[in-house]
Amino acid sequence: AQSVTQPDIHITVSEGASLELRCNYSYGATPYLFWYVQSPGQGLQLLLKYFSGDTLVQGIKGFEAEFKRSQSSFNLRKPSVHWSDAAEYFCAVGPFGDYKLSFGAGTTVTVRA
Amino acid sequence: GAGVSQSPSNKVTEKGKDVELRCDPISGHTALYWYRQSLGQGLEFLIYFQGNSAPDKSGLPSDRFSAERTGGSVSTLTIQRTQQEDSAVYLCASSRLAGDTGETQYFGPGTRLLVL
Repeated sequence: AQSVTQPDIHITVSEGASLELRCNYSYGATPYLFWYVQSPGQGLQLLLKYFSGDTLVQGIKGFEAEFKRSQSSFNLRKPSVHWSDAAEYFCAVGPFGDYKLSFGAGTTVTVRA
Repeated sequence: GAGVSQSPSNKVTEKGKDVELRCDPISGHTALYWYRQSLGQGLEFLIYFQGNSAPDKSGLPSDRFSAERTGGSVSTLTIQRTQQEDSAVYLCASSRLAGDTGETQYFGPGTRLLVL
């Protein structure tokens, strides 16, 4: 079975600074990989997803993620955060041919002025 | 267009009571999913509907949980004889195509359930 680990429960970053959120997955083959963001009181919104091809994926809101097979990682990055990026971020994995996404426990991002 | 909607947004109930949670998927989406998000946890898959196929109920935690999808659209998740450990946010998602295509799942805002 697949699993996802987000090692950082909470990250605080200054506005304008760069952000990197870590995600490690466990699965025997190349899975589908996703990053979702959840703002307070909101549902999850898809930031980006990886299925195959270019290992650097661009998403919405200026986010990007890089798939590294050798490290079983799919880390999310943003060069310069905005106060509106304060939210909870979830990494998810869905094996090819399956629809049951497995989510990490999430990383809460706080942005300080 | 309209996104996935869920009702109620919040529900407080007493232990032992039954509750019904409703999900209206995006129009035209054939696949519908229910997840549970407990405090400090990631999302936990509960059930999946695809068209007229039999639902995948493999994620339901106990027989107190059931769900149906009427007319291929609206879905209701029912929890009977609620327990305090059922307290969580219940999220519904839908996707345009079958889930095994890796199609993007669009999530609703969730129903926050508190069992006293």
